[in-house]
Amino acid sequence: DIQMTQSPSSLSASVGDRVTITCRASQSISTYLNWYQQKPGKAPKLLIYAASTLQSGVPSRFSGSGSGTDSTLTIRSLQPEDLATYYCQQSYSTPYTFGPGTKLEIK
Amino acid sequence: DVQLVESGGGLVQPGGSLRLSCAASGFTFSTYSMNWVRQAPGKGLEWVSYITTISGTIYYADSVKGRFTISRDNAKNSLFLQMNSLRAEDTAVYYCARGSFDLWGQGTMVTVSS
Repeated sequence: DIQMTQSPSSLSASVGDRVTITCRASQSISTYLNWYQQKPGKAPKLLIYAASTLQSGVPSRFSGSGSGTDSTLTIRSLQPEDLATYYCQQSYSTPYTFGPGTKLEIK
Repeated sequence: DVQLVESGGGLVQPGGSLRLSCAASGFTFSTYSMNWVRQAPGKGLEWVSYITTISGTIYYADSVKGRFTISRDNAKNSLFLQMNSLRAEDTAVYYCARGSFDLWGQGTMVTVSS
């Protein structure tokens, strides 16, 4: 199975800050990498697929990059509504494993 | 509206069974593969199972293999998860998600406890 790790596990940032979350796979997954946002009590929401493609309707302040084993989610200018936990997931092979999540808090 | 709505969750004793349903609307269900994903209380996301459009290919997580069965009824725009031999560690919110994980339901809670 492909193992996914994320760093940091949590972070606190201010409105307007640039935030970066890193995801690493235990083997190459090309660009078969998704990013999700999950707000408390809600279902996950797809933000980025294929490592860097913005899902329809997602604000352009979100972006993704990377391939192989390392990927990054960037929030260009943090907004109050971005308070959430962010997960990466590989869709290269089953089981479609998720990272452990990064909890983002707003200072 | 394009949506997925899960149902069938509840409280069940260890060793018991439960059948979850996911009703799809607003899109052509039969043309999409589907997934089940779960989330234990306070924990992260765990992919559970996948089924292709005409049920030709099915995958399971090792943690549920042999106990859970995924199925679908394209005529009724519905996805199912039959869960047998339930354990305490199966306690979670269960989500159905469209094939590319671009659409999720609101989830249904399954609690396995005596």
